[in-house]
Amino acid sequence: DTGVSQNPRHKITKRGQNVTFRCDPISEHNRLYWYRQTLGQGPEFLTYFQNEAQLEKSRLLSDRFSAERPKGSFSTLEIQRTEQGDSAMYLCASSPEQNTEAFFGQGTRLTVV
Amino acid sequence: GESVGLHLPTLSVQEGDNSIINCAYSNSASDYFIWYKQESGKGPQFIIDIRSNMDKRQGQRVTVLLNKTVKHLSLQIAATQPGDSAVYFCAENMYSSASKIIFGSGTRLSIRP
Repeated sequence: DTGVSQNPRHKITKRGQNVTFRCDPISEHNRLYWYRQTLGQGPEFLTYFQNEAQLEKSRLLSDRFSAERPKGSFSTLEIQRTEQGDSAMYLCASSPEQNTEAFFGQGTRLTVV
Repeated sequence: GESVGLHLPTLSVQEGDNSIINCAYSNSASDYFIWYKQESGKGPQFIIDIRSNMDKRQGQRVTVLLNKTVKHLSLQIAATQPGDSAVYFCAENMYSSASKIIFGSGTRLSIRP
């Protein structure tokens, strides 16, 4: 296992289109997190899963955003009707249990034009 | 690669000198702290962590100091090397919620030859 894997690495989409990102966490990590990062800022928490259950969502996660982790392994983050303000780096992280360090993937860079 | 943290505070140190990066955290209930390193175009990389029952922890060339009284965290890097050039983020977590890691504002470390 080489760590957290995110696909695609880069995505350019037209405003109004839907996009979906995938995250494969480290094997046997129960917790999976999604963060968003814009230039000049630290990562901002979006949501997290404990196994397949989505336990918390940030107010940053509008109704256009949805995340799933159907079998408690990989996760997807979908953004519907993208807006230019959605342009950011979307980071996924996983950890084996609560209150331990989270290991991050390389991120998916979204550009909405 | 793409730059992150274009408008972050910058610390410039001479190669071989020690670096000290400071961070003020926000929540007095936070009891777990992590330092991450982020290189251009990459996801955050775990460096070292510390729990609130400790005030100092050492790793390889790195030391984290925690002052809970003033809610201050610092990262010391000994004998700074060119490969240490990156943006450094402190992050905090509350055991009681254990749900998300909250990132502080980052510091860009640049190394002078």
